[in-house]
Amino acid sequence: AQTVTQSQPEMSVQEAETVTLSCTYDTSESDYYLFWYKQPPSRQMILVIRQEAYKQQNATENRFSVNFQKAAKSFSLKISDSQLGDAAMYFCAYRGSTSGTYKYIFGTGTRLKVLA
Amino acid sequence: EPEVTQTPSHQVTQMGQEVILRCVPISNHLYFYWYRQILGQKVEFLVSFYNNEISEKSEIFDDQFSVERPDGSNFTLKIRSTKLEDSAMYFCASSELYVDEQFFGPGTRLTVL
Repeated sequence: AQTVTQSQPEMSVQEAETVTLSCTYDTSESDYYLFWYKQPPSRQMILVIRQEAYKQQNATENRFSVNFQKAAKSFSLKISDSQLGDAAMYFCAYRGSTSGTYKYIFGTGTRLKVLA
Repeated sequence: EPEVTQTPSHQVTQMGQEVILRCVPISNHLYFYWYRQILGQKVEFLVSFYNNEISEKSEIFDDQFSVERPDGSNFTLKIRSTKLEDSAMYFCASSELYVDEQFFGPGTRLTVL
């Protein structure tokens, strides 16, 4: 069974600085999708970025980028020029595409604090 | 921009009562999902639904739970005989195709007293 691990329960970053959130996963599939979701205090799940496993190029969305290491099964999120509005829980999620199941499997989350 | 909506935003119920959580997926989406997040914990998959039937369910989704698409727009989660441990945030999601990204609704906070 697939698993997603986020080993950092909490991280802090100074405003305007860069922070990296870690995520590792375990799967036997060769094709899958990985996501980072942001959950602010409102608890709405907001998609930050997605990565298709078959793409070697790391995904980027403005200040957010990922470091996808398929062999190492690692999928970290880098937030550049951190802003106060980035403070939230961040969840890493996995979704397979070859096993016939398309549910998302989430990690336990990392709480990001942004210090002014 | 189309979005998934959920009602109510907060539901308070007494233990043993039945609740129905409602979701309106994005109109051209065909795949629907329910997830649950107990406070302070990770989001967990409950069930997926396609073509008017359950396509996958987790071990959490036992006989206490049921889903339905009663008309062309709503997708509901019914929880019978609620328990204290059912208190959680329930998220509905939808996708156009099974390979596509799932769009999440804002969630319904269920409190069982």
